[in-house]
Amino acid sequence: AQSVAQPEDQVNVAEGNPLTVKCTYSVSGNPYLFWYVQYPNRGLQFLLKYITGDNLVKGSYGFEAEFNKSQTSFHLKKPSALVSDSALYFCAVRVPSGSARQLTFGSGTQLTVLP
Amino acid sequence: DAGVTQSPTHLIKTRGQHVTLRCSPISGHKSVSWYQQVLGQGPQFIFQYYEKEERGRGNFPDRFSARQFPNYSSELNVNALLLGDSALYLCASSSSSTGQTSYGYTFGSGTRLTVV
Repeated sequence: AQSVAQPEDQVNVAEGNPLTVKCTYSVSGNPYLFWYVQYPNRGLQFLLKYITGDNLVKGSYGFEAEFNKSQTSFHLKKPSALVSDSALYFCAVRVPSGSARQLTFGSGTQLTVLP
Repeated sequence: DAGVTQSPTHLIKTRGQHVTLRCSPISGHKSVSWYQQVLGQGPQFIFQYYEKEERGRGNFPDRFSARQFPNYSSELNVNALLLGDSALYLCASSSSSTGQTSYGYTFGSGTRLTVV
């Protein structure tokens, strides 16, 4: 079975400071990894994904994530946080083959960027 | 281009009733997946359909069913509603059955179902 853990329910950061939202995963085989953001009363917006290749993935709105196979982590990062980045962030994983084609999501991390 | 469209946006039902939620994928997308997001939790997978065939089913009771139409739109049906079915129901579309596209899966804004 595949699973995702987001160990922090809440992350607070000052505007202009770097931010990190943590994610670890557990799958059998090589994972596909995703980050999505959710604003209040909205659906999920895609930020970035890792399929294969370079461990550092760059995505939308200046976000990036680093895939670390040995630590089974896929932390989301941004060098300089904006107040508008405040939202709920979800990490998700799926395996590339077999019947388990669905995304498995973490429980989410609420990011608050303080002005 | 229109994104993933879900209807209705909000819905209030009474326990025991039946509900039908609808999803129109992005034009050209043949895969539709349904997820349930209970307040304070991450989305949970319910179903995936590709080319009108069920390709995956999550750990949900038989009260939940779905289908996909020839135009690739989809319906999620829930019978005998329980209070615990109150959630945001999300639809996601993809051009492939595996989500291996530039953007993976594209989600709609969801249907907020409240069961009273």
